[in-house]
Amino acid sequence: QSVLTQPPSVSAAPGQTVTISCSGSTSNIGNNYVSWYQHLPGTAPKLLIYENNKRPAGIPDRFSGSKSGTSATLGITGLQTGDEADYYCGTWDSSLSAGGVFGGGTKLTVL
Amino acid sequence: QVQLVQSGSELKTPGASVTVSCKTSGYNFNIYSINWLRQAPGQGLEWMGWINPNTGIPTYAQGFTGRFVFSLDTSVTTLYLQISGLKAEDTAVYYCARDQRVIQFDYWGQGTLVTVSS
Repeated sequence: QSVLTQPPSVSAAPGQTVTISCSGSTSNIGNNYVSWYQHLPGTAPKLLIYENNKRPAGIPDRFSGSKSGTSATLGITGLQTGDEADYYCGTWDSSLSAGGVFGGGTKLTVL
Repeated sequence: QVQLVQSGSELKTPGASVTVSCKTSGYNFNIYSINWLRQAPGQGLEWMGWINPNTGIPTYAQGFTGRFVFSLDTSVTTLYLQISGLKAEDTAVYYCARDQRVIQFDYWGQGTLVTVSS
């Protein structure tokens, strides 16, 4: 059972927009930065978003992040078949002595 | 360029030990912590903890105390994950990842598959 809650799956057609939610609590998302990762099978996860809404160099602006209260959202516009992957949110949980926590992951299918 | 290169896949029997290495290069080793994460088959990412590159002091997440040991060798800028008393449920891909701040993993190793089977 993951500390952060994500939908198991989302789907959309190429060119469309999709959002992936990540729900937590005041001890984690509510008071800490959220990061998002894209994980393609057989590869290492890739950092897409850090500090809630910042993109590392090289990440296209089709990917965006936001946070409100104890929830965060990853948005992907102009969906491409190459976006089909698992997506994870992560943050620190201040209620834990060692508090790195992740969501269970969301499988994005591009129809 | 920043690189984290992990050791290769391992097949172990229950009760054995395994060491996974993570060789880093291309950045100041002392500035960034290295975290360890794992992904069991069909499961999501799980944070195992981190090690301070300056002090070598490890911090373990709940569930990763006792049989799991993080260590490092600054002379070769390499981190190590040792797992003892292996169990079938330790079968997973283990990743090392550089943390640019707190749970902001900007560079990852390629992953090491550890399979525990009799």
